[in-house]
Amino acid sequence: NAGVTQTPKFQVLKTGQSMTLQCAQDMNHNSMYWYRQDPGMGLRLIYYSASEGTTDKGEVPNGYNVSRLNKREFSLRLESAAPSQTSVYFCASSEAGGPYGYTFGSGTRLTVV
Amino acid sequence: SQQGEEDPQALSIQEGENATMNCSYKTSINNLQWYRQNSGRGLVHLILIRSNEREKHSGRLRVTLDTSKKSSSLLITASRAADTASYFCATPLGNMLTFGGGTRLMVKP
Repeated sequence: NAGVTQTPKFQVLKTGQSMTLQCAQDMNHNSMYWYRQDPGMGLRLIYYSASEGTTDKGEVPNGYNVSRLNKREFSLRLESAAPSQTSVYFCASSEAGGPYGYTFGSGTRLTVV
Repeated sequence: SQQGEEDPQALSIQEGENATMNCSYKTSINNLQWYRQNSGRGLVHLILIRSNEREKHSGRLRVTLDTSKKSSSLLITASRAADTASYFCATPLGNMLTFGGGTRLMVKP
């Protein structure tokens, strides 16, 4: 099925560990995004990539890095995980760099202990 | 910074009733979108309304937009148990799409 695929679905990390969340889309979308969702906070944008080869900070970028590996793939890296990064992470993609209807992945539930 | 806020935060209705959710936002927009999120799943795009539109329909969904009041509403008619989900409004802010905190809708069979 066409869409956005995220891996892993669940992860538990110890404080200070690092990990990379993977995201791939097969809809030929130009733009890709990483959001985090915390209870009562809605979704907050971490980083986005308007097109292949570009990345920009969103609302809450501290503690994260991203890589737009190619048009299909956009990864999110936590270099030194902290308990405050416990959250559900969603990757999304959209057409043409404009916010006209995003397609979301099913999420990665991350717990940092 | 949250651009949009939904009201109410939670809504419980009986199957067959209509559900209305409201969204208020802060700055001028060129479009507003509504998304649904089922428990434990990603968000699904429902409908987009442009700033020059006042009302839009999609199946049992009706969305209105009042740019003078900076507000939008989502009406789900003849609700079903399967409509139980969280509903979010989203508005562009620069290159970002920002989301409100959502309305949790429960439809009781």
